[in-house]
Amino acid sequence: DIVMTQTPLSSPVTLGQPASISCRSSQSLVHSDGNTYLSWLQQRPGQPPRLLIYKISNRFSGVPDRFSGSGAGTDFTLKISRVEAEDVGVYYCMQGTQFPITFGQGTRLEIK
Amino acid sequence: QVQLVESGGGVVQPGRSLRLSCAASGFTFSTFGMHWVRQAPGKGLEWMTLIFFDGSHKYYADSVKGRFTISRDNSRNTLYLQMNSLTTEDTAVYYCAREARYFALDVWGKGTTVTVSS
Repeated sequence: DIVMTQTPLSSPVTLGQPASISCRSSQSLVHSDGNTYLSWLQQRPGQPPRLLIYKISNRFSGVPDRFSGSGAGTDFTLKISRVEAEDVGVYYCMQGTQFPITFGQGTRLEIK
Repeated sequence: QVQLVESGGGVVQPGRSLRLSCAASGFTFSTFGMHWVRQAPGKGLEWMTLIFFDGSHKYYADSVKGRFTISRDNSRNTLYLQMNSLTTEDTAVYYCAREARYFALDVWGKGTTVTVSS
């Protein structure tokens, strides 16, 4: 199975400041079709997960442009350019390149 | 609007069975792959199983293979999860999710809670 490792596990951030979450996979996420199936999800307290980013860097419909994704191969990053109060929650990376699909442990974003 | 609504959760004794349902609306259910993902109390997300849009292929996590069965009825716009031989480690919120293109899960239900306890 592909192991997804996120850092940090907790990130206290000041409102209006940037935040960054790293996700590393135990093997390359490049699929045989050439695509890299790495996505990011947000889970606000008491809510189901919500898709933010798919295929490394594509923002899903309705996601604010302060969210961006980057990376390649085994190293990926989610960045929030200016954190807002509504961004509080847990963020997960997820790989869909190989079964079983696996998630990172989650990174808790909190306001300082 | 696009919506997934899970049902069927509850409290069940170890070793017993339970069937979850996920009712889809607002989109053409028969054209999307569907997943079940669970979240144990205070823990992260765990993928469990996928079924292709037409039911032709199914994939399972090792933790549930042989015990859980995913199925769908496209005429009823409903996804199912049959769970047998339940253990306390199966206690979790169970989410159904739609697979968008690129193996991303773009629509999630609110979840249904399963508690396995004697």
